[in-house]
Amino acid sequence: GAVVSQHPSWVICKSGTSVKIECRSLDFQATTMFWYRQFPKQSLMLMATSNEGSKATYEQGVEKDKFLINHASLTLSTLTVTSAHPEDSSFYICSARDPIAGENSPLHFGNGTRLTVT
Amino acid sequence: GQNIDQPTEMTATEGAIVQINCTYQTSGFNGLFWYQQHAGEAPTFLSYNVLDGLEEKGRFSSFLSRSKGYSYLLLKELQMKDSASYLCAVRDSNYQLIWGAGTKLIIKP
Repeated sequence: GAVVSQHPSWVICKSGTSVKIECRSLDFQATTMFWYRQFPKQSLMLMATSNEGSKATYEQGVEKDKFLINHASLTLSTLTVTSAHPEDSSFYICSARDPIAGENSPLHFGNGTRLTVT
Repeated sequence: GQNIDQPTEMTATEGAIVQINCTYQTSGFNGLFWYQQHAGEAPTFLSYNVLDGLEEKGRFSSFLSRSKGYSYLLLKELQMKDSASYLCAVRDSNYQLIWGAGTKLIIKP
């Protein structure tokens, strides 16, 4: 089945620094990847849709200059949290759908990245 | 607005059966998904319904009624490892996924 790999699994950083999270589709090519954020005991919140070779589409209320997304290849998307603040501490999860499997195929998720900003 | 409702938490006994309900109001409908999410982990796909009726996959079954905007996930022969959150998600007319807040299922021995 389709596999999505996300790295790192967890990261602790100081306020003001930047953190990069990588998301890779291992056995399929993903022209589109989705970045979610999940706070404790809450549901997934879509932050942005990453499009290979073009600009990402951000959801309302998500700062594009703070959450930089780059989708440079068909198998890799990166999310960079710039000038991180403690309120950015959250669980970040990427996902993708195998386009060959069709529109009805499910999203496959990376294992998530637990970000803690001190 | 678009909305998905599911119970916040449910408790069941090992070996028993539990039904987790999900009701939705969305702009259009292009399928409903159920995912399982263990604490601190990413969601994993369980089932997909796009037509009315029951889809069975081993111990798990999912039902859909589009006219009622209603689905349920049925878990049989509950095991301790089934303790997790179960997320209902609906794809709307724009093929955007709308997520429920999840139902935390606690299994007791």
